[in-house]
Amino acid sequence: GEDVEQSLFLSVREGDSSVINCTYTDSSSTYLYWYKQEPGAGLQLLTYIFSNMDMKQDQRLTVLLNKKDKHLSLRIADTQTGDSAIYFCAEGGGGADGLTFGKGTHLIIQP
Amino acid sequence: KAGVTQTPRYLIKTRGQQVTLSCSPISGHRSVSWYQQTPGQGLQFLFEYFSETQRNKGNFPGRFSGRQFSNSRSEMNVSTLELGDSALYFCASSLRVNGEAFFGQGTRLTVV
Repeated sequence: GEDVEQSLFLSVREGDSSVINCTYTDSSSTYLYWYKQEPGAGLQLLTYIFSNMDMKQDQRLTVLLNKKDKHLSLRIADTQTGDSAIYFCAEGGGGADGLTFGKGTHLIIQP
Repeated sequence: KAGVTQTPRYLIKTRGQQVTLSCSPISGHRSVSWYQQTPGQGLQFLFEYFSETQRNKGNFPGRFSGRQFSNSRSEMNVSTLELGDSALYFCASSLRVNGEAFFGQGTRLTVV
């Protein structure tokens, strides 16, 4: 079935850029999403990209999509302590029903 | 614009009981989806409703059911609760089926 893979942890220094990577298997996905989950909170939709786009930028966030390799990345520029959270990659609109999520990447910020 | 509202935020139930969770979508959104989040399985899709009809369904047993009302509000019911049903349950609303989903804060269900 469809699958989304992410690294479990990423540690970066405050002020550096964070790059969170994700791979997916459903080539018919229409949308690819990044969600942020802080402790005890719900899922916050950060950004999404259509499958016919290569890049999307939104303030400190840059999403890159390599459709050939089925690889998605989220770059957070000038990472701050408030960015500490779990980041989920998700794909949807393809063969699967609903969104298929990765297991999430814990972003740890070092002072 | 108000976000997605889920009630209650926390629930403790006993094995064998049933439970109903409620979700109010963003105004104007007609699609409501439900997801289960557990440490082991992560986030898994339960089902999606649009215009009071179930449009998509994930791989969960029939004990998990839902419905949607004419005002787009949705409820999810789990019958004959098992310990393994302990999880965080999210609902998400979208303008359309399989559209960009905005999530609520979740309901934490604990089965003892």
